[in-house]
Amino acid sequence: DIQMTQSPSSLSASIGDRVTLTCRASQSISTYLNWYQQKPGKAPKLLIYAASTLQSGVPSRFSGSGSGTDFTLTISNLQPEDFATYSCQHSYIVPYTFGQGTKLEI
Amino acid sequence: QVQLVESGGGVVQPGRSLRLSCAASGFTFSSYDMHWVRQAPGKGLEWVAVISYDGSKKYYADSVKGRFTISRDNSKNTLYLQMNSLRGEDTAVYHCAKNHRTTFNTFDIWGQGTMVTVSS
Repeated sequence: DIQMTQSPSSLSASIGDRVTLTCRASQSISTYLNWYQQKPGKAPKLLIYAASTLQSGVPSRFSGSGSGTDFTLTISNLQPEDFATYSCQHSYIVPYTFGQGTKLEI
Repeated sequence: QVQLVESGGGVVQPGRSLRLSCAASGFTFSSYDMHWVRQAPGKGLEWVAVISYDGSKKYYADSVKGRFTISRDNSKNTLYLQMNSLRGEDTAVYHCAKNHRTTFNTFDIWGQGTMVTVSS
């Protein structure tokens, strides 16, 4: 199975900051990488798919990059509603594993 | 609007069975692969199973293979997860998720989830 490792596990930031979250795959997955945002008690929300494509309706302050094994999610100009947990997920081959998540805190 | 609503969760003893349902609306259910994803309390997300749009192909995580069965009824716009021989480690919120319209194995619409607790 492909293992997905996210870093850091938690991150403190302030409104207006720019933050970068990292996701590493245990083997090359090309650009078969998705990012989700999850708030407590809520379902996850797709932000970025295919490593860098913004899902419809997601603000442009979210961006993704990377290919192969190393990927990043960048959030510019942090807004209050962005404080949540972010998870990466590969869609390369079964099983479609997730990272353990990065909790973004104020 | 596009919506997925899960039901069927509850408290069940180890070794027993439970069937989850996911009612879909707002999109052409029969055109999309569908997934189950779970999240144990305080843990990360875990992909469980996928079924193709026509039900002909099914894949499972190793942790549930041989115990869980994913199925669908396109005439009822409903996805199912039959869970047998339940274990404590199956305790989680179970979400159904719709496959993205252009990208395989990417989950663009999620249900709110149904809680399954396996405990004696």
